[in-house]
Amino acid sequence: QQPVQSPQAVILREGEDAVINCSSSKALYSVHWYRQKHGEAPVFLMILLKGGEQKGHEKISASFNEKKQQSSLYLTASQLSYSGTYFCGTERYQGAQKLVFGQGTRLTINP
Amino acid sequence: EAGVAQSPRYKIIEKRQSVAFWCNPISGHATLYWYQQILGQGPKLLIQFQNNGVVDDSQLPKDRFSAERLKGVDSTLKIQPAKLEDSAVYLCASSPISGSHNEQFFGPGTRLTVL
Repeated sequence: QQPVQSPQAVILREGEDAVINCSSSKALYSVHWYRQKHGEAPVFLMILLKGGEQKGHEKISASFNEKKQQSSLYLTASQLSYSGTYFCGTERYQGAQKLVFGQGTRLTINP
Repeated sequence: EAGVAQSPRYKIIEKRQSVAFWCNPISGHATLYWYQQILGQGPKLLIQFQNNGVVDDSQLPKDRFSAERLKGVDSTLKIQPAKLEDSAVYLCASSPISGSHNEQFFGPGTRLTVL
């Protein structure tokens, strides 16, 4: 079942913060985050495993709330290069290696 | 390290015609995926290979789509005959190790337009 991302779109000024959420109605083993720029392939950002760990990648971090089956992606002090569409991909059980992607959140950063 | 290669990058065909896409994954990657990405949506898995065996093809429209991965390396995805709703970007991705939570590396995709 496809995870639900919110919001669908965000417009920020450079330097502002954003949070993107990814929710599933099913129990998850992991959540993967990807960023896709227009006309390009999705690029991997990070993986969150069940257990609520938080990871970081430069000024982008994420958390996974196992009880809520929800992951949140945090973009701090956004840069112009952060613009793109962010997708979460959910994995139901360990070893599945099969991701179900959300519909995406389009992030626009203006100067 | 070379990335995932796909060809062609763009293809325009008439409905009811046939089309084939090719993918060469990153060397040594055991798992290969084909996704369909319709404009404005997330990638949707069509088929997953592990080496040259099919792991999951539950969402592949088998009456018109077929895929193979001979020798466990490169792969082809075919559509025969194409329908208007097949217009999409077809993404190939590969992953290094089966059974673990590794990232997927995506190719640039093939943009298919069916007229």
